[in-house]
Amino acid sequence: GAGVSQSPSNKVTEKGKDVELRCDPISGHTALYWYRQSLGQGLEFLIYFQGNSAPDKSGLPSDRFSAERTGGSVSTLTIQRTQQEDSAVYLCASSLGRGRYQPQHFGDGTRLSIL
Amino acid sequence: DAKTTQPTSMDCAEGRAANLPCNHSTISGNEYVYWYRQIHSQGPQYIIHGLKNNETNEMASLIITEDRKSSTLILPHATLRDTAVYYCIVRASESNYQLIWGAGTKLIIKP
Repeated sequence: GAGVSQSPSNKVTEKGKDVELRCDPISGHTALYWYRQSLGQGLEFLIYFQGNSAPDKSGLPSDRFSAERTGGSVSTLTIQRTQQEDSAVYLCASSLGRGRYQPQHFGDGTRLSIL
Repeated sequence: DAKTTQPTSMDCAEGRAANLPCNHSTISGNEYVYWYRQIHSQGPQYIIHGLKNNETNEMASLIITEDRKSSTLILPHATLRDTAVYYCIVRASESNYQLIWGAGTKLIIKP
């Protein structure tokens, strides 16, 4: 079946612009996560959605970052007034339910470059 | 939250078993050990997870010591396509379902 799909795969934009990154999770997966990965580093948690519950936004680095998940499926991560330090690969993952025993399945990410 | 320690890099000959160690000495009794890998320019790929018993699937085997303070991921017959960064992760505490990612082990399979 289809895996987690992210778009665009690459995004280059100028400092100060807003960007939107999209994630289509695996069908039937109720949990959705956003991470970012800087060059040569491990993943940094950003935000978590589970069903209709309020999202866990504890990993968002600043108020320029926001995310929403419409209809319990597709999610959009928005970065306003982008800065050069926002350059990274943004990864989305989904899993069955919120159980901590459920493995997360990742998309291939959006590589964001801020000029 | 439990922290993991892995070697920075390892080499393995093609066709041989690759054994990747991980230390997680502060793991709690109800925390699982997960292994993921990341091939260049791709998202992480789930490999296997376990609690205390050894586990095996089509990709790998996971050996967890009796005291649960360390584990070993075994790729039984490594191929060139297994070259990747391998992450050992302990699932965070009950109130925190985030995966805590370290720097992983860069595994290079040599022909």
